[in-house]
Amino acid sequence: GAGVSQSPRYKVAKRGQDVALRCDPISGHVSLFWYQQALGQGPEFLTYFQNEAQLDKSGLPSDRFFAERPEGSVSTLKIQRTQQEDSAVYLCASSLDDIAGGTGELFFGEGSRLTVL
Amino acid sequence: GNSVTQMEGPVTLSEEAFLTINCTYTATGYPSLFWYVQYPGEGLQLLLKATKADDKGSNKGFEATYRKETTSFHLEKGSVQVSDSAVYFCALTVRSNDYKLSFGAGTTVTVRA
Repeated sequence: GAGVSQSPRYKVAKRGQDVALRCDPISGHVSLFWYQQALGQGPEFLTYFQNEAQLDKSGLPSDRFFAERPEGSVSTLKIQRTQQEDSAVYLCASSLDDIAGGTGELFFGEGSRLTVL
Repeated sequence: GNSVTQMEGPVTLSEEAFLTINCTYTATGYPSLFWYVQYPGEGLQLLLKATKADDKGSNKGFEATYRKETTSFHLEKGSVQVSDSAVYFCALTVRSNDYKLSFGAGTTVTVRA
């Protein structure tokens, strides 16, 4: 498709369940990002991939969070043993290049809204 | 660290009114500044940007000027339309770490006909 696609759009999980969120970036985009957006807040950086390499995972809140992009295209964010504080919108974004020089133009998906009961 | 503080919303105004959304920042290093917008049911999209002091970013009638002396990047539009109803986010990157956007909390703007 023309834009960044995320699935599922909505996910309800019971506390302790594992979830997987998928991101299809724009074809050919080198950089891929995951952000977490809590209600009423701005997005917070989670992790960054350049092609298949995860160059920065400093924003992942705990070792229950894991992201991968094995072929440099589709990415999956996995959350193990979900907790209520994981409830948020998870945003994926991609960029054509490695955006060195601060262009900052990321293309965002609509997000996956996770609710943990 | 890097942080962005923007005017709290929600903001409600009438069509053709003047809109200002304040944004100030702190940054370690020299930041590039951005405004992103999220229309209802859509993903975030870049509205405008400025990469050095005194630059003015503009798009769709919106403007923002990079003010280093006041560490600000206020967003303005002279005459808003109903279609401008959205959530607006101020954001920055620093050149030493320029893949990582730091966002403000967002300001919800509703324009009434």
